[in-house]
This record gives sequence, structure tokens and C-alpha cells, in this order.
Amino acid sequence: EIVLTQSPGTLSLSPGERATLSCRASQSGSSSYVAWYQQKPGQAPRVLIYGASTRATGTPDRFSGSGSGTDFTLTISRLEPEDFAVYYCQQYGSSPLTFGGGTRVEIK
Amino acid sequence: QVQMVQSGGEVKKPGASVKVSCKASGYTFTSYGITWVRQAPGQGLEWMGWISAYNGETKYVEKFQGRVTMTTDTSTTTAYMELRSLRTDDTAVYYCARGPPGSGGNSPLFYWGQGILVTVSS
Repeated sequence: EIVLTQSPGTLSLSPGERATLSCRASQSGSSSYVAWYQQKPGQAPRVLIYGASTRATGTPDRFSGSGSGTDFTLTISRLEPEDFAVYYCQQYGSSPLTFGGGTRVEIK
Repeated sequence: QVQMVQSGGEVKKPGASVKVSCKASGYTFTSYGITWVRQAPGQGLEWMGWISAYNGETKYVEKFQGRVTMTTDTSTTTAYMELRSLRTDDTAVYYCARGPPGSGGNSPLFYWGQGILVTVSS
């Protein structure tokens, strides 16, 4: 099973700042089969990025994904008020599919 | 538009079973699989497994093998997830979700149900 480790656990930033979230896989079987999700309280997750770097329909272009192998990054270029939420990475290249533990982006 | 509407919350005692449903609409049901993901209170997401609505093929996470059964009813475009021998640590929000066609369960999840809370308590 591929274990995904997300860091940091919590990111405290102000609106307008840049956010950089990391997701590291325990092995490279996930290739570029990594997705990023945003989850707000009381809501289902929403996919932002898949294939490590492809924005899903409706994802604003301030969100970008990068990485390959075992290291992946989600970058939010300028935080908007609606971006404060929890973000999860997921690998879907190898069964069982697994999620990272999440990064909470909170208002500083 | 694609919609996945789940049944209402459940309260169960330890050792009981729960069967939750997910009514899909807005797409050709048998062209896609359904994935089940759960989230314990205040915790992260956990992939439980996947079922093909085309042929009923299933993939389950090993920790749930023997306790979980995923099924679909193509006549009502509804997916079901039954979890047996419930324990208190099965208390979670259970989501159904859908990826792209032909992925065999290994896919990002583009559409999600609203989730239902299953509470296991004596």
C-alpha cells in the first residue's frame, strides 16, 4: 500500500499569499496518478487537480499541481477567502487507492 | 447534470449491519463504477472499495474484506454498500463517488454524494 504523507499539517496564511502544499508518496508506483481535493466543513470533497497537474473542470487557474515519482505539490498562487479549507492528495495508480492525511489552510 | 444522492443517516449498535444507498442520475449508470470512501469524525478520507455498475466486479480494501459488500441495481441506478459486524470505530461519514469511465476503480473522483453519517454506539 502506498502511504501518502502531506505537509505541513496546517498552513496559516493571509488572503493574497501563496500556499504551497506537499504530498510525498512512500513509493513511486503512483507515477503521475495523483489528484488533489478541497474539502470544506460539512461538504464532500471536490476534485481540483488530477493527473498531478491537470485542472478539473471549474478549478480556478490560481490552483496548480506539479510533481512526479514520489513528490507532488499543490500551489495556490494567491489565496482567496474561499480557499481556506482542508486539502487532500490521493494516489490512484496502485490499489488500494490511498489519501494523504490532509493539510488545513487557515486564515492567519 | 450528474447527481449522486445518498440515503439518510443511520444509528446502529455494535455488531449490527448497515446498508447505505447512493442513487445516481444524469449519466449512463452502467458506463461507470461507484467508489465508496469514508471519513471518521475529524479525520481524513479512506477509500473502501469500488464496484463496476457494468458487470458487478468489485475491489475492496483488504481491511474490509469479509465485512463489506458493494452492489448495484441497474434498474434503479442505485449503488449499495453494506458493512457488517459494525464497531464503534466504523462511525464515519460514508460517501459514494464516481470517476471517469473505464477506469477500473483506479481513478480520481469527479462526482460525490453528499455523504451520510453512520453512528455506531451502544
